[in-house]
Amino acid sequence: GAVVSQHPSWVICKSGTSVKIECRSLDFQATTMFWYRQFPKQSLMLMATSNEGSKATYEQGVEKDKFLINHASLTLSTLTVTSAHPEDSSFYICSARASRTGNTEAFFGQGTRLTVV
Amino acid sequence: GENVEQHPSTLSVQEGDSAVIKCTYSDSASNYFPWYKQELGKRPQLIIDIRSNVGEKKDQRIAVTLNKTAKHFSLHITETQPEDSAVYFCAASNVRRDDKIIFGKGTRLHILP
Repeated sequence: GAVVSQHPSWVICKSGTSVKIECRSLDFQATTMFWYRQFPKQSLMLMATSNEGSKATYEQGVEKDKFLINHASLTLSTLTVTSAHPEDSSFYICSARASRTGNTEAFFGQGTRLTVV
Repeated sequence: GENVEQHPSTLSVQEGDSAVIKCTYSDSASNYFPWYKQELGKRPQLIIDIRSNVGEKKDQRIAVTLNKTAKHFSLHITETQPEDSAVYFCAASNVRRDDKIIFGKGTRLHILP
C-alpha cells in the first residue's frame, strides 16, 4: 500500500517553544491530508484538514493560531504546535488518501509523540 | 457533523470464541466504514472496510456488517487468537464529500487464555 511518513517520531520540548511535525506521502500525491490528536487511552480526534495550496480547515474547538498547518506541496503537510504547553502533550498522527475517487483507504503516518515539559 | 458511537469500550473473550463490536453513525451521507486495529504507540492499521452499497464483507476470520437504514455497523472476529488483543476503532467517512474519517471511541479487546 501507499506510504505516509511522519517526522519526528517523538519530540520533547520546553513549555513555550514551538514544534513542527512533518507528514509526507512518499509514493503518491495527496491534495488533502488530515491531522489527528490522540490522548492516552482515547480515540483519534480529527483536528484539521490540510488542503494543498489553500488554508486548512479546522474542527470545532481547535485553535488555528496554535496549531499552524501548511500544505505547500502535494506530498508534504506540516503541523506546528506554537507556544506548546504540557496539556499539548499527545500523540499526533497524520493521514492521507491517494485519490478522492479511487482508492478509499486512508494511509496513516507512524505518529509523533509530543511531550512538553 | 458525523458522530460515531462504539460499544463496548472493553471486551474480554476466551481464546477461540468470537468477538463482536458494534458502532452507530449519525450522518446518513457517510458511505465508507473502515475498521482499524491499533497497538500501543503505533499507527492505526486497516483490518477491513465496507462501502455503503454492500451489506456484508468477510476476510478470513474477520467480517463486517452494515445496516444503512439503522445506521449500524459491526465487526465480527471469529476463532479469536492472543494476537487479536488490541484496541479496535470503527470509523465513518464520506469519500465523495470531504474524505474526513471520524473515529469511534475504541474497544479494548482482551483475549483470555
